[in-house]
Amino acid sequence: EVQLVESGGGSVQPGGSLRLSCAASGFAFNVYSMNWVRQAPGKGLEWVSYITNSASTIHYADSVKGRFTISRDNANNLLFLQMNGLRVEDTALYYCARGYQWAFDMWGQGAMVTVSS
Amino acid sequence: QSALTQPPSASGSPGQSVTISCTGTSSDVGGYNCVSWYQQHPGKAPKLLIYEVTKRPSGVPGRFSGSKSGNTASLTVSGLQAEDEADYYCTSYAGSSSWSVFGTGTKVTVL
Repeated sequence: EVQLVESGGGSVQPGGSLRLSCAASGFAFNVYSMNWVRQAPGKGLEWVSYITNSASTIHYADSVKGRFTISRDNANNLLFLQMNGLRVEDTALYYCARGYQWAFDMWGQGAMVTVSS
Repeated sequence: QSALTQPPSASGSPGQSVTISCTGTSSDVGGYNCVSWYQQHPGKAPKLLIYEVTKRPSGVPGRFSGSKSGNTASLTVSGLQAEDEADYYCTSYAGSSSWSVFGTGTKVTVL
């Protein structure tokens, strides 16, 4: 079955860190670019970060630049998002999404991150 | 990286058509044929409906169609069905510095 499964979400205090993982299965992970997209409770979607299949090119939204780091392990079909310096406004459901022709053609079910004191 | 502008809501009766707009700038929607559309039901992950302005992935019904004119892209849902009641989002490539930007989202209600 083709799927993406996120893990690593949780609750953290402002200034803290979390590392999200996304396990891919059922497709050739090393061929596809990948993204992280988030959705704050009751709000819309926000693109967070992008990484090419070889990790040669990486982009971040201005809102997370300098605090979040995207990476991938093609040998184990894993995508990561290291989140440092977390803020209350980073509270959201974080989706990993496969890239296809400038779109996101496959999504996981999301990992919830709550930043609160 | 300003969000693309969508109407907050749209509605139609079963069998009717509804069109959702997505307005950006020449730096995103107007500058590239890289607009995509997503459907999201409550508590579910988004689903890709349209990519590259007009293309439908395999399995997406032909009732969903996309278009673009200048800085505004549109999604039309023809022959509305009850299961089309959901939130809809557009997104566009925004160049190598901004990469990707989502729309504000539109809630579609089937009357």
